[in-house]
Amino acid sequence: GQQVMQIPQYQHVQEGEDFTTYCNSSTTLSNIQWYKQRPGGHPVFLIQLVKSGEVKKQKRLTFQFGEAKKNSSLHITATQTTDVGTYFCAGPSSGAGSYQLTFGKGTKLSVIP
Amino acid sequence: DVKVTQSSRYLVKRTGEKVFLECVQDMDHENMFWYRQDPGLGLRLIYFSYDVKMKEKGDIPEGYSVSREKKERFSLILESASTNQTSMYLCASSFSGYRGEQYFGPGTRLTVT
Repeated sequence: GQQVMQIPQYQHVQEGEDFTTYCNSSTTLSNIQWYKQRPGGHPVFLIQLVKSGEVKKQKRLTFQFGEAKKNSSLHITATQTTDVGTYFCAGPSSGAGSYQLTFGKGTKLSVIP
Repeated sequence: DVKVTQSSRYLVKRTGEKVFLECVQDMDHENMFWYRQDPGLGLRLIYFSYDVKMKEKGDIPEGYSVSREKKERFSLILESASTNQTSMYLCASSFSGYRGEQYFGPGTRLTVT
């Protein structure tokens, strides 16, 4: 079945350093979504990318969707302690309606003050 | 704001008990989902529903059943709880169709002893 893989699984950075997580799908995606889960919290939707090669920014966060629509990345510039959490990517599951998502296992970000 | 609520934040049950987890959303979403989240395994889909009285198995449906009698409510049932069902259970909802971002409830931490 469809697989969505994320690397790295864990990342520890010094506050102020940059951070990037990568997401790869085994199949072409119609769109990709990113979620953030704070420690003790639940996943919260951040953004959706739809177009091949699309780049979107939210303040210090930059999201990219690959040209082949099989990979994506999230880059955080100058991390802050508020960025701590697990970042998940998700894409529509193949063979299902557009409503079912396959999630990556997430990248857990720790920021050392 | 979309609100997804779950009946309990923490629940402790004994092996063999029948357990009901309730989820309610207030945004008239067609789709509702039940996931379990375990360290290192990410979010795994148990069941989902795309309409009242409709349900589809996810990736790990064994040992679980669901009920959706009203559009806003989706229940997860553990017919006979076992210790390997100790986990965080997350409910989510979404509109059908292309946009599809999911809104999660706060989660229920279930411990089966």
